[in-house]
Amino acid sequence: GQNIDQPTEMTATEGAIVQINCTYQTSGFNGLFWYQQHAGEAPTFLSYNVLDGLEEKGRFSSFLSRSKGYSYLLLKELQMKDSASYLCAPMDSNYQLIWGAGTKLIIKP
Amino acid sequence: NAGVTQTPKFRVLKTGQSMTLLCAQDMNHEYMYWYRQDPGMGLRLIHYSVGEGTTAKGEVPDGYNVSRLKKQNFLLGLESAAPSQTSVYFCASNEDSDTGELFFGEGSRLTVL
Repeated sequence: GQNIDQPTEMTATEGAIVQINCTYQTSGFNGLFWYQQHAGEAPTFLSYNVLDGLEEKGRFSSFLSRSKGYSYLLLKELQMKDSASYLCAPMDSNYQLIWGAGTKLIIKP
Repeated sequence: NAGVTQTPKFRVLKTGQSMTLLCAQDMNHEYMYWYRQDPGMGLRLIHYSVGEGTTAKGEVPDGYNVSRLKKQNFLLGLESAAPSQTSVYFCASNEDSDTGELFFGEGSRLTVL
């Protein structure tokens, strides 16, 4: 079956760095997305990885290892507004997104 | 540019009642999707459409129907609501189903009593 595993909740300090891990098992693979979702709001796109390696975009970076079925989202210089849920979503062989339950990130001053 | 707009934002129904959720997008996207989001679970795809006049079942289609009569609109219907359909519903669209990011509506919170 298809499965996504990411931590339910993480806590970090303002200004610090945090890494949110995601492991996945899918029927085929066509890339992996990360989305951010603030409480009570819609998800918004953060990143897309289809090749192995690190993609950097400002304070946020996303890493993919296809052979290990593993990705992580790295957030640097954390700000209070980064408090949100982060959703890992690999795409299977039918180009359907398989969504994880999300990691709730709590930022403390 | 409004993006993706969902109506209504909130609705309370009694078991057995029917209702329709409307999704409208002004980005001329081909692909549109309806998801539901429940606590502790990932987004689950209900139905989707790859273009005007076409619809397809997703992961959890039972109890729902959809229509895409116009390219910009995607309607989600509940013919006989059940408490298990209490959820937050999100509509989304994109131009390229393979690599294109999804643009989501603000969500519709539905409670079935």
